[in-house]
Amino acid sequence: QKEVEQDPGPLSVPEGAIVSLNCTYSNSAFQYFMWYRQYSRKGPELLMYTYSSGNKEDGRFTAQVDKSSKYISLFIRDSQPSDSATYLCAMKSGGSNYKLTFGKGTLLTVNP
Amino acid sequence: GAVVSQHPSRVICKSGTSVKIECRSLDFQATTMFWYRQFPKQSLMLMATSNEGSKATYEQGVEKDKFLINHASLTLSTLTVTSAHPEDSSFYICSAAMGTEDGYTFGSGTRLTVV
Repeated sequence: QKEVEQDPGPLSVPEGAIVSLNCTYSNSAFQYFMWYRQYSRKGPELLMYTYSSGNKEDGRFTAQVDKSSKYISLFIRDSQPSDSATYLCAMKSGGSNYKLTFGKGTLLTVNP
Repeated sequence: GAVVSQHPSRVICKSGTSVKIECRSLDFQATTMFWYRQFPKQSLMLMATSNEGSKATYEQGVEKDKFLINHASLTLSTLTVTSAHPEDSSFYICSAAMGTEDGYTFGSGTRLTVV
């Protein structure tokens, strides 16, 4: 079993839809959780960073963490064509010198 | 917010030559930086962890003599691909963390093509 599982998609939705992206993990030591957006041929862009169970909202994005189920989600409201990208979940167990473990990424296309 | 600058964004080199990629944290100090390699339509593969003032820690299977990492200051880490071959062609990305309680910021990546 891989440490982090993420459905690679692809996921295609109409503009304005609510998008739900998910990752599960097996390592209970993971304490810090991130979601990145990566456009083609670009570096990943940090969208959300959380370290506690529950919800964190930032604009159209909501990150949800359930440590008891080892499950994290990213919700995108009112999706836009500009949201079309690959979304990567990432997590780590410690501070700033700890390496990230990534999911495979989900390719999202928002159709106008 | 935190910005990590990576240069060059694209480089083409001849087989057998060496290429240096720079990663700079512009508005913060980074004691630790990370170097990744990404193949098309795949996730990021960690190559090494770069620590300021000390030797880098390489992941299993990554040749340390081929991928030289130097972290000479708190704002600069470099990756040198030595004696590059076509199979080294890839997208290389660096990242750094501002502090213990922050997510990591990534550079814009370097596309290396070895011909």
